[in-house]
Amino acid sequence: DTGVSQNPRHKITKRGQNVTFRCDPISEHNRLYWYRQTLGQGPEFLTYFQNEAQLEKSRLLSDRFSAERPKGSFSTLEIQRTEQGDSAMYLCASSLPRQGIEAFFGQGTRLTVV
Amino acid sequence: EDQVTQSPEALRLQEGESSSLNCSYTVSGLRGLFWYRQDPGKGPEFLFTLYSAGEEKEKERLKATLTKKESFLHITAPKPEDSATYLCAVQPAGGSQGNLIFGKGTKLSVKP
Repeated sequence: DTGVSQNPRHKITKRGQNVTFRCDPISEHNRLYWYRQTLGQGPEFLTYFQNEAQLEKSRLLSDRFSAERPKGSFSTLEIQRTEQGDSAMYLCASSLPRQGIEAFFGQGTRLTVV
Repeated sequence: EDQVTQSPEALRLQEGESSSLNCSYTVSGLRGLFWYRQDPGKGPEFLFTLYSAGEEKEKERLKATLTKKESFLHITAPKPEDSATYLCAVQPAGGSQGNLIFGKGTKLSVKP
């Protein structure tokens, strides 16, 4: 399968715990994006990387959130001290580095904070 | 403020009953407009990219069109397997190159 891969698919955690998600983009794509989607809403932009450089962070990305992309390959999104409001689908996407180019999404990681 | 509004929120069709979904946008210039399909519990699946007014793209029973203020996704003779949420997104020319702005989607149900 040459699509965007996300792990785990589902994560249930207790409030206050830290969680980490992984995203493996399409191999030739050097742009990688993280989005968050809650029920009944469209995806909301969190952050994006071009190669290993994190070029933009949304104001939605509080200081409890951190994303990395070492060596410009896979990426991780960590949430520290999770809150119930963090429960959502976390989506990763990747694209080629051209303006107006479509992004391809993974299947997402569903986070439930109890 | 850049904004995307999709209508209707939900649409129920009988198999074979053609219809259109609307995506209205307000952006400071447009790099691209994108349509995605999303099945429950899954990530969005890319359908089309449109760049300029007058452009049209087709794939099987779907046809996407673009004007300066809105885009339509026309569904001809839909089948039950077309049931999904259809998302519209724009990439503004004046903003970040990484940020797609999505609408809330139209949930389409096609009954046999």
